[in-house]
Amino acid sequence: SYELTQPPSVSVSPGQTASITCSGDKLGISYVSWYQQKPGQSPVMVIYQDTSRPSGIRERFSGSTSGNTATLTISGTQTMDEADYYCQAWDISNVSIIFGGGTRLTVL
Amino acid sequence: QGQLVQAGVDVKKPGASVKVSCVASGYNLKDFPISWVRQAPGQGLEWMGWIIVYNGNTNYAQKFQGRVTMTTDTITNTAYMELGSLRFDDTAVYYCARQRHDYSNNYYFDSWGQGTLVTVSS
Repeated sequence: SYELTQPPSVSVSPGQTASITCSGDKLGISYVSWYQQKPGQSPVMVIYQDTSRPSGIRERFSGSTSGNTATLTISGTQTMDEADYYCQAWDISNVSIIFGGGTRLTVL
Repeated sequence: QGQLVQAGVDVKKPGASVKVSCVASGYNLKDFPISWVRQAPGQGLEWMGWIIVYNGNTNYAQKFQGRVTMTTDTITNTAYMELGSLRFDDTAVYYCARQRHDYSNNYYFDSWGQGTLVTVSS
């Protein structure tokens, strides 16, 4: 079955740039969205349609794609950005929505 | 904008069914499909399926076909997800999410309920 692959963890120092990748064979034909989930909370969408940022999401969150890899970039990372991040895409072959396994971002 | 409101907790025995509710507040449930996503303890997000509210059409993930039923009540603006033949590994937080769909290959969730913890225990 189709899978989206994310690194299990990423660490970054405060103020630095964090990059979280999401790779999948069919990403080139599907838009990607990204969600932030803090402990005990529901996911929150931070990027949709590869690069669009919802209102209320800080400008330091950005998305990009290249071939079969999507990247979530957090510039000037703050401790409040510590969370799990999930990518999500559309699997046209199976007519289903899929999530990556998630990446735990640690800011230290 | 609107929000989705879910009840907190439910406990069921193996083999039983659970019906989780999700109330749309501040918008008409008919305006957007609802997806259900679950998250087992310490695990990632798993999509279960969606329901197109205005016509009742559903699309269930293959893993849950035959065991899940998604319905809505447009009078009370409520969506429901019923999962049957519960097993221990169905213990999870079950989220409803408002689904957006732009173009043919762009699906995303712009609003999530707070989740319902379903524990399957004997």
